[in-house]
Amino acid sequence: GQQLNQSPQSMFIQEGEDVSMNCTSSSIFNTWLWYKQDPGEGPVLLIALYKAGELTSNGRLTAQFGITRKDSFLNISASIPSDVGIYFCAGTAKTRTGGSQGNLIFGKGTKLSVKP
Amino acid sequence: DGGITQSPKYLFRKEGQNVTLSCEQNLNHDAMYWYRQDPGQGLRLIYYSQIVNDFQKGDIAEGYSVSREKKESFPLTVTSAQKNPTAFYLCASKEGRGPRETQYFGPGTRLLVL
Repeated sequence: GQQLNQSPQSMFIQEGEDVSMNCTSSSIFNTWLWYKQDPGEGPVLLIALYKAGELTSNGRLTAQFGITRKDSFLNISASIPSDVGIYFCAGTAKTRTGGSQGNLIFGKGTKLSVKP
Repeated sequence: DGGITQSPKYLFRKEGQNVTLSCEQNLNHDAMYWYRQDPGQGLRLIYYSQIVNDFQKGDIAEGYSVSREKKESFPLTVTSAQKNPTAFYLCASKEGRGPRETQYFGPGTRLLVL
């Protein structure tokens, strides 16, 4: 089935650093969602994007719906220790008639850890 | 408080046993979903329900069963036919329709085999 390519798979952060991650698909998407998951917990929705080019912020987090509609980016500015966790992108693919195809498709996640 | 609750937090299954995971939501959402998460993996869809008394198989439905008798509730049964049930199970419900849909997740149930 359809897959999303999320990168990087993992990264180490130092407090105060900016962080960037992205998600790409082979087809056009109607929706991009970004979630954060802490160990042993369910994913929490961070940002939802519904329109090509849309740029949305949630505190220190900013996400963009790529112009080609095949990618999305999440940036975290001035990272803090509680930013560690796994970040997932998810989206719904566009059908030929413009609607959304099927259910949410998820990336495999980007794991953020603190630099030793 | 509105939200999605899952119980229990941890569940142990013996060989050959069926176990049922609970999922309840008071968000008034029509659609509900069950996902399985394995270490280092993304979420894989087990079953989903768009409306009461209707449900559809997802990508990995074998060895699982569901029911949707009430809007608020979507229990998942892991049957003895599921040979590798150890995983983290997540329930979600969906707000909105079409291109503005958004899914919200419960806290998860970790299933372990004795």
